[in-house]
Amino acid sequence: DAEITQSPRHKITETGRQVTLACHQTWNHNNMFWYRQDLGHGLRLIHYSYGVQDTNKGEVSDGYSVSRSNTEDLPLTLESAASSQTSVYFCASSVRGDTEAFFGQGTRLTVV
Amino acid sequence: AQSVTQPDIHITVSEGASLELRCNYSYGATPYLFWYVQSPGQGLQLLLKYFSGDTLVQGIKGFEAEFKRSQSSFNLRKPSVHWSDAAEYFCAVGTKASGNKLTFGGGTRVLVKP
Repeated sequence: DAEITQSPRHKITETGRQVTLACHQTWNHNNMFWYRQDLGHGLRLIHYSYGVQDTNKGEVSDGYSVSRSNTEDLPLTLESAASSQTSVYFCASSVRGDTEAFFGQGTRLTVV
Repeated sequence: AQSVTQPDIHITVSEGASLELRCNYSYGATPYLFWYVQSPGQGLQLLLKYFSGDTLVQGIKGFEAEFKRSQSSFNLRKPSVHWSDAAEYFCAVGTKASGNKLTFGGGTRVLVKP
Protein backbone atom coordinates (compact mmCIF):
# COMPACT_ATOMS: atom_id res chain seq x y z
CA ASP A 1 0.00 0.00 0.00
CA ALA A 2 1.10 3.53 -0.68
CA GLU A 3 2.03 5.45 2.41
CA ILE A 4 3.89 8.33 3.97
CA THR A 5 6.67 7.54 6.41
CA GLN A 6 8.74 9.69 8.71
CA SER A 7 12.07 8.87 10.27
CA PRO A 8 13.26 8.80 12.89
CA ARG A 9 10.18 8.50 15.09
CA HIS A 10 12.09 9.86 18.07
CA LYS A 11 15.22 11.98 18.19
CA ILE A 12 17.17 13.65 20.96
CA THR A 13 19.78 16.17 19.92
CA GLU A 14 21.89 18.88 21.46
CA THR A 15 21.49 22.61 21.06
CA GLY A 16 23.39 23.90 18.06
CA ARG A 17 23.51 20.64 16.12
CA GLN A 18 22.10 20.27 12.64
CA VAL A 19 19.26 17.79 12.43
CA THR A 20 17.43 16.38 9.42
CA LEU A 21 14.03 14.73 9.62
CA ALA A 22 13.03 12.52 6.74
CA CYS A 23 9.66 12.30 5.01
CA HIS A 24 8.98 9.84 2.22
CA GLN A 25 5.69 9.24 0.39
CA THR A 26 4.91 6.61 -2.19
CA TRP A 27 1.69 8.11 -3.58
CA ASN A 28 3.47 10.32 -6.12
CA HIS A 29 1.76 13.35 -4.57
CA ASN A 30 2.79 16.76 -5.83
CA ASN A 31 2.14 18.65 -2.59
CA MET A 32 4.12 18.02 0.58
CA PHE A 33 4.02 19.85 3.89
CA TRP A 34 5.82 20.00 7.20
CA TYR A 35 3.97 20.98 10.38
CA ARG A 36 4.96 21.18 14.00
CA GLN A 37 2.58 20.36 16.81
CA ASP A 38 2.78 22.14 20.14
CA LEU A 39 0.36 22.08 23.03
CA GLY A 40 -2.36 24.66 22.60
CA HIS A 41 -1.27 25.60 19.10
CA GLY A 42 -2.54 22.67 17.09
CA LEU A 43 -0.37 22.18 14.03
CA ARG A 44 1.48 25.04 12.40
CA LEU A 45 2.91 25.03 8.91
CA ILE A 46 6.70 25.18 8.63
CA HIS A 47 7.45 24.67 4.93
CA TYR A 48 5.69 23.27 1.91
CA SER A 49 6.36 22.21 -1.64
CA TYR A 50 4.14 21.95 -4.71
CA GLY A 51 6.59 19.93 -6.74
CA VAL A 52 10.22 19.12 -7.48
CA GLN A 53 12.53 22.09 -6.92
CA ASP A 54 9.67 24.10 -5.40
CA THR A 55 9.80 25.10 -1.73
CA ASN A 56 7.93 27.76 0.22
CA LYS A 57 7.99 29.17 3.72
CA GLY A 58 5.09 28.64 6.05
CA GLU A 59 3.96 30.34 9.22
CA VAL A 60 6.89 29.24 11.42
CA SER A 61 9.81 28.74 9.04
CA ASP A 62 12.61 30.48 10.94
CA GLY A 63 15.43 28.04 11.71
CA TYR A 64 14.17 25.41 9.27
CA SER A 65 14.85 24.56 5.64
CA VAL A 66 13.62 22.00 3.13
CA SER A 67 14.64 20.78 -0.28
CA ARG A 68 12.69 18.86 -2.91
CA SER A 69 14.92 16.97 -5.31
CA ASN A 70 12.36 14.32 -6.19
CA THR A 71 8.62 13.75 -5.85
CA GLU A 72 8.81 11.28 -2.98
CA ASP A 73 10.92 13.10 -0.39
CA LEU A 74 10.82 16.35 1.53
CA PRO A 75 13.51 16.35 4.25
CA LEU A 76 13.28 19.00 6.94
CA THR A 77 16.56 20.42 8.27
CA LEU A 78 17.06 22.31 11.49
CA GLU A 79 20.20 24.30 10.77
CA SER A 80 21.16 24.84 14.41
CA ALA A 81 18.76 23.17 16.79
CA ALA A 82 17.30 25.27 19.59
CA SER A 83 15.29 24.23 22.65
CA SER A 84 12.30 26.11 21.20
CA GLN A 85 12.28 23.57 18.39
CA THR A 86 11.45 20.72 20.75
CA SER A 87 8.18 19.55 19.25
CA VAL A 88 6.38 16.84 17.35
CA TYR A 89 6.84 17.18 13.61
CA PHE A 90 4.37 15.92 11.04
CA CYS A 91 4.83 15.52 7.35
CA ALA A 92 1.82 15.46 5.02
CA SER A 93 1.13 15.11 1.33
CA SER A 94 -1.74 15.65 -1.07
CA VAL A 95 -2.35 15.17 -4.76
CA ARG A 96 -3.46 18.72 -5.36
CA GLY A 97 -5.32 21.57 -3.70
CA ASP A 98 -8.80 20.09 -3.81
CA THR A 99 -7.99 16.83 -2.09
CA GLU A 100 -7.30 15.94 1.49
CA ALA A 101 -3.82 15.71 2.97
CA PHE A 102 -2.46 12.48 4.40
CA PHE A 103 -0.22 12.61 7.43
CA GLY A 104 2.77 10.63 8.58
CA GLN A 105 3.08 9.20 12.08
CA GLY A 106 5.17 12.09 13.35
CA THR A 107 8.69 12.59 14.71
CA ARG A 108 9.14 13.61 18.32
CA LEU A 109 12.23 15.83 18.53
CA THR A 110 13.79 16.86 21.81
CA VAL A 111 16.53 19.47 21.85
CA VAL A 112 18.58 19.46 25.06
CA ALA B 1 -5.04 36.01 7.80
CA GLN B 2 -7.14 32.95 8.27
CA SER B 3 -7.70 31.48 11.70
CA VAL B 4 -9.46 28.50 13.21
CA THR B 5 -10.83 28.43 16.74
CA GLN B 6 -11.81 25.39 18.73
CA PRO B 7 -13.27 26.93 21.89
CA ASP B 8 -13.20 23.76 23.97
CA ILE B 9 -9.77 22.52 24.99
CA HIS B 10 -11.14 19.48 26.86
CA ILE B 11 -14.49 17.74 26.77
CA THR B 12 -15.51 14.83 28.96
CA VAL B 13 -18.43 12.74 27.82
CA SER B 14 -20.00 9.53 29.06
CA GLU B 15 -19.92 6.49 26.85
CA GLY B 16 -23.14 6.33 24.85
CA ALA B 17 -23.81 10.03 25.15
CA SER B 18 -23.76 12.44 22.24
CA LEU B 19 -20.75 14.57 21.39
CA GLU B 20 -20.44 17.93 19.68
CA LEU B 21 -17.12 19.65 19.03
CA ARG B 22 -17.14 23.27 17.97
CA CYS B 23 -15.07 24.84 15.23
CA ASN B 24 -15.21 28.43 14.03
CA TYR B 25 -13.07 29.85 11.27
CA SER B 26 -12.16 33.21 9.84
CA TYR B 27 -11.43 33.02 6.16
CA GLY B 28 -11.84 35.39 3.26
CA ALA B 29 -12.18 32.79 0.53
CA THR B 30 -14.50 29.82 0.25
CA PRO B 31 -12.86 27.33 2.54
CA TYR B 32 -12.25 23.66 2.43
CA LEU B 33 -12.97 22.26 5.88
CA PHE B 34 -11.62 19.18 7.57
CA TRP B 35 -11.81 17.30 10.83
CA TYR B 36 -8.87 15.10 11.83
CA VAL B 37 -8.53 12.78 14.81
CA GLN B 38 -5.30 11.96 16.59
CA SER B 39 -5.02 9.03 18.94
CA PRO B 40 -2.18 9.11 21.49
CA GLY B 41 1.21 8.76 19.84
CA GLN B 42 -0.34 8.51 16.40
CA GLY B 43 -0.58 10.63 13.31
CA LEU B 44 -3.68 12.41 12.10
CA GLN B 45 -6.52 10.53 10.49
CA LEU B 46 -9.09 12.29 8.37
CA LEU B 47 -12.62 11.96 9.76
CA LEU B 48 -14.44 14.00 7.15
CA LYS B 49 -14.08 16.86 4.74
CA TYR B 50 -16.22 19.54 3.13
CA PHE B 51 -15.36 20.99 -0.24
CA SER B 52 -18.75 22.00 -1.62
CA GLY B 53 -22.33 20.81 -1.99
CA ASP B 54 -24.40 19.35 0.81
CA THR B 55 -23.53 21.17 4.00
CA LEU B 56 -24.10 18.09 6.17
CA VAL B 57 -21.12 15.81 5.72
CA GLN B 58 -20.85 12.21 6.81
CA GLY B 59 -17.52 10.79 7.83
CA ILE B 60 -15.94 7.68 9.19
CA LYS B 61 -16.57 6.16 12.63
CA GLY B 62 -20.12 7.53 12.73
CA PHE B 63 -19.13 11.21 12.77
CA GLU B 64 -20.84 14.00 10.89
CA ALA B 65 -20.28 17.73 10.57
CA GLU B 66 -22.37 20.63 9.37
CA PHE B 67 -21.01 23.62 7.51
CA LYS B 68 -22.84 26.83 8.40
CA ARG B 69 -21.54 29.66 6.28
CA SER B 70 -23.55 32.32 8.13
CA GLN B 71 -21.94 31.31 11.42
CA SER B 72 -18.50 30.47 9.99
CA SER B 73 -18.75 27.16 11.77
CA PHE B 74 -18.08 23.52 11.04
CA ASN B 75 -19.11 21.60 14.15
CA LEU B 76 -18.46 17.88 14.52
CA ARG B 77 -21.06 15.57 16.02
CA LYS B 78 -21.51 11.96 16.99
CA PRO B 79 -24.82 10.62 18.35
CA SER B 80 -23.35 7.96 20.64
CA VAL B 81 -19.74 7.98 21.78
CA HIS B 82 -17.66 4.84 22.21
CA TRP B 83 -14.68 4.52 24.53
CA SER B 84 -12.45 4.29 21.45
CA ASP B 85 -13.42 7.86 20.51
CA ALA B 86 -11.17 9.22 23.24
CA ALA B 87 -8.61 11.21 21.29
CA GLU B 88 -7.70 14.71 20.21
CA TYR B 89 -9.70 16.27 17.42
CA PHE B 90 -8.51 18.99 15.10
CA CYS B 91 -10.50 21.22 12.82
CA ALA B 92 -8.58 22.55 9.81
CA VAL B 93 -9.21 24.97 6.97
CA GLY B 94 -7.63 25.12 3.55
CA THR B 95 -8.39 26.35 0.05
CA LYS B 96 -7.81 25.02 -3.42
CA ALA B 97 -5.95 28.22 -4.27
CA SER B 98 -3.51 27.66 -1.41
CA GLY B 99 -2.73 24.17 -2.59
CA ASN B 100 -4.37 22.81 0.52
CA LYS B 101 -2.03 24.35 3.03
CA LEU B 102 -3.97 23.83 6.22
CA THR B 103 -4.62 26.15 9.13
CA PHE B 104 -5.45 24.15 12.24
CA GLY B 105 -7.37 24.91 15.36
CA GLY B 106 -5.76 24.27 18.72
CA GLY B 107 -7.51 20.94 19.14
CA THR B 108 -10.08 19.50 21.53
CA ARG B 109 -9.16 16.56 23.72
CA VAL B 110 -12.07 14.21 24.30
CA LEU B 111 -12.19 12.00 27.37
CA VAL B 112 -14.79 9.23 27.54
CA LYS B 113 -16.13 8.10 30.91
CA PRO B 114 -17.32 4.51 31.26
